Amino acid sequence: AIQLTQSPSSLSASVGDRVTITCRASQGISSALAWYQQKPGKAPKLLIYDASSLESGVPSRFSGSGSGTDFTLTISSLQPEDFATYYCQQFNNYPITFGPGTKVDIK
Amino acid sequence: QVQLQESGPGLVKPSETLSLTCTVSGGSISSYYWSWIRQPAGKGLEWIGRIYTSGSTNYNPSLKSRVTMSVDTSKNQFSLKLSSVTAADTAVYYCARDRQGYATGDYWGQGTLVTVSS
Repeated sequence: AIQLTQSPSSLSASVGDRVTITCRASQGISSALAWYQQKPGKAPKLLIYDASSLESGVPSRFSGSGSGTDFTLTISSLQPEDFATYYCQQFNNYPITFGPGTKVDIK
Repeated sequence: QVQLQESGPGLVKPSETLSLTCTVSGGSISSYYWSWIRQPAGKGLEWIGRIYTSGSTNYNPSLKSRVTMSVDTSKNQFSLKLSSVTAADTAVYYCARDRQGYATGDYWGQGTLVTVSS
């Protein structure tokens, strides 16, 4: 199975900060990567699919980039509602796998 | 607006079979892949498998020997059965619709907690 690692595992940031989360795959996955946001007690919410395509209704401050093994999720100006845990997911190979998550909390 | 709702017992005894159903409303179940994902308390997400409306399935090899998924297009429902459960199967179980062309969940149920305990 393809392993995904995320860094950092957690970060503290302030409203208005630019935040970058990275996801690395154990082997090349082309652009078959998605990013999700999850808040406590809620289902994950799809933010980005196909590495860089913004899901409908997701604010443009979220962006994704990368291909192959290295990917990035960027939040250009962190908003109060963005404090959450973020997961990457690969869908290039079965089994579909998720990264361990990055928790973004308030500094 | 598509909505998904998981239903099933919240408590299952060890060695028994966990059975969950996901009911889809606000849209047709046809021509999509439908997935099950679970999340133990305080931990990350684990993909269980997915089913197409034709009945074609893909399962996580780590669970494959115990998992069965099915779909009932007449009821707009799909289901998960996980046999021989242990405490390690205690988790919140989510159903999700995969975005067309991509194995990424664009609509999710709210999740249902299943506890395995005697």
